[in-house]
Amino acid sequence: DADVTQTPRNRITKTGKRIMLECSQTKGHDRMYWYRQDPGLGLRLIYYSFDVKDINKGEISDGYSVSRQAQAKFSLSLESAIPNQTALYFCATSDTRTVNQPQHFGDGTRLSIL
Amino acid sequence: AQTVTQSQPEMSVQEAETVTLSCTYDTSESNYYLFWYKQPPSRQMILVIRQEAYKQQNATENRFSVNFQKAAKSFSLKISDSQLGDTAMYFCAFMKPVEGSRLTFGEGTQLTVNP
Repeated sequence: DADVTQTPRNRITKTGKRIMLECSQTKGHDRMYWYRQDPGLGLRLIYYSFDVKDINKGEISDGYSVSRQAQAKFSLSLESAIPNQTALYFCATSDTRTVNQPQHFGDGTRLSIL
Repeated sequence: AQTVTQSQPEMSVQEAETVTLSCTYDTSESNYYLFWYKQPPSRQMILVIRQEAYKQQNATENRFSVNFQKAAKSFSLKISDSQLGDTAMYFCAFMKPVEGSRLTFGEGTQLTVNP
């Protein structure tokens, strides 16, 4: 089983719909992140969390919200989806105790908003 | 804020040859980490290699090596003996430890290895 699991893998929806992307991890890491990937822009940070009580905005948080339901779960919500939120979304984790260790990524959720 | 620039959107190389992908970054920090990630068509993000800024020695992982020039803020990736499986998007990334291990990514370079 994957260490970082994202659901769904793909999703097509309509403008104005509420969408939730979910991420769970079995690595025991305390830090979790949400990124979005757009062609020509690389990956950009949306939100990150150090633990269940610590949520921080990234560089492109407008239009998104997150919830850290438990140490192992971190979900990303689009309250009212718009077409320019069409992108590939990644969840990642890291461990506070090993700051020089790379983040571990899920397999991504491809979201298309029509 | 840090910025990372990959100036080569696309590159191609013949199988078994060597290719170098460029990455430059801008920071005022002295302690940081640099990474190269590979994203094949399966879209997984796979760590290729990492470099600690305080280490002068360039990192090496099998066929992958970096040329880290701290003063020039340059971090290029060299792939030797290219293989068809190296075809992927490659991302350079910067991390400042005090910022919660957040990663700042470059735009990516699409590498195609031709038979």
